[in-house]
Amino acid sequence: ERVMTQSPATLSVSPGERATLSCRASQSVGSDLAWYQQKPGQAPRLLIYGASTRATGVPARFSGSGSGTEFTLTISSLQSEDFAVYYCQQYNNWPPLTFGGGTKVEIK
Amino acid sequence: QVQLQESGPGLVKPSETLSLTCTVSSGSISSHYWSWIRQPPGKGLEWIGYIYYSGSTNYNPSLESRVTMSIDTSKNQFSLRLTSVTAADTAMYYCAGWGGSTRPFDIWGQGTMVTVSS
Repeated sequence: ERVMTQSPATLSVSPGERATLSCRASQSVGSDLAWYQQKPGQAPRLLIYGASTRATGVPARFSGSGSGTEFTLTISSLQSEDFAVYYCQQYNNWPPLTFGGGTKVEIK
Repeated sequence: QVQLQESGPGLVKPSETLSLTCTVSSGSISSHYWSWIRQPPGKGLEWIGYIYYSGSTNYNPSLESRVTMSIDTSKNQFSLRLTSVTAADTAMYYCAGWGGSTRPFDIWGQGTMVTVSS
């Protein structure tokens, strides 16, 4: 099983600032990595797939990078609607499909 | 735009069977691999398994002994059965659609909360 580890658990950022979230895989997952955003009381929403491709309708301020075992989600200029929990997920080696534990982006 | 809606009991007794159904609307049930994903209160996401319209399934090894998924293409529905539940199975249960490597979990239901308690 590919274990996905996200850091930090909580990130405090001021609106307008850049946020950088990390995701590490226990073994290589190539570029088979997705990022999701989850707001309170809502289902997750797909943001990024293939490590770096934005899903339909996702603003350009969201960008993903990395391959192998190290991945990054960057939000270039945080908007109020971006404060949420973000999960990475690998789909390279499964079952099982596995998610990271999440990073909560909160207002500083 | 395909939409998903979960339904089922919100309360299940310990040792009994959890049963949930997801209805696919405004689209084809053959368009995705249909998964169940759960999220215990305040915790992260756990993939339970998927079923395809052909009936083929793939389960999380950690739950495989207790999980059965089925699909009814005539009703555009797929279902989850989880046996011998305990308090650890208390979670929000989501149904979600996997469209392949270019559309991983691009469709989600709103989720349904299931509590295991006597």
